Amino acid sequence: SQKIEQNSEALNIQEGKTATLTCNYTNYSPAYLQWYRQDPGRGPVFLLLIRENEKEKRKERLKVTFDTTLKQSLFHITASQPADSATYLCALTFTGGGNKLTFGTGTQLKVEL
Amino acid sequence: GAGVSQSPSNKVTEKGKDVELRCDPISGHTALYWYRQRLGQGLEFLIYFQGNSAPDKSGLPSDRFSAERTGESVSTLTIQRTQQEDSAVYLCASSPAGGAYEQYFGPGTRLTVT
Repeated sequence: SQKIEQNSEALNIQEGKTATLTCNYTNYSPAYLQWYRQDPGRGPVFLLLIRENEKEKRKERLKVTFDTTLKQSLFHITASQPADSATYLCALTFTGGGNKLTFGTGTQLKVEL
Repeated sequence: GAGVSQSPSNKVTEKGKDVELRCDPISGHTALYWYRQRLGQGLEFLIYFQGNSAPDKSGLPSDRFSAERTGESVSTLTIQRTQQEDSAVYLCASSPAGGAYEQYFGPGTRLTVT
């Protein structure tokens, strides 16, 4: 069965450092992958989308890579700030799966002063 | 402009009762999705509507769950004979079309079944 894995342990980093979050998937032929941010008590907010034929996507301090050989996406936040503290969700749409998104369980990031 | 809205924001119901949750998508968005999020868990896909096409109901966990959407507007998710395991946050999202588009989420409805 298809599975998306994100590190369930919280990631604590110091302000100004680069945060790197990992998303691994199995048994998918991905069409595209998305990253969302979720704050407590709120719905997820879209951050970036990357297609299976793209290696890297950037937006301001955010960077996503997509390695379909390793079946892995990395999500980077450079010059991290306390306001970046949130849970980050990886989601995949796979070929033949229609248009639905399958989400990972998310990784909590805490940026400390 | 207005985002996705959901009502009610919180719902407490007794086991065995029926509940109806409402979602107002962003105007002009043809695709609408329902998800369930249990405490500390990721989002679980329930159902997807795209225009006038038949909905993708592959995520509905049982026949107690159903959803409707009128055209490209409001959607309602109905849970009949609620059970305690139905307790979760129910999230609605819309997007400009199906496929490779970002989804815009509402704030969710927190359902508690006692």
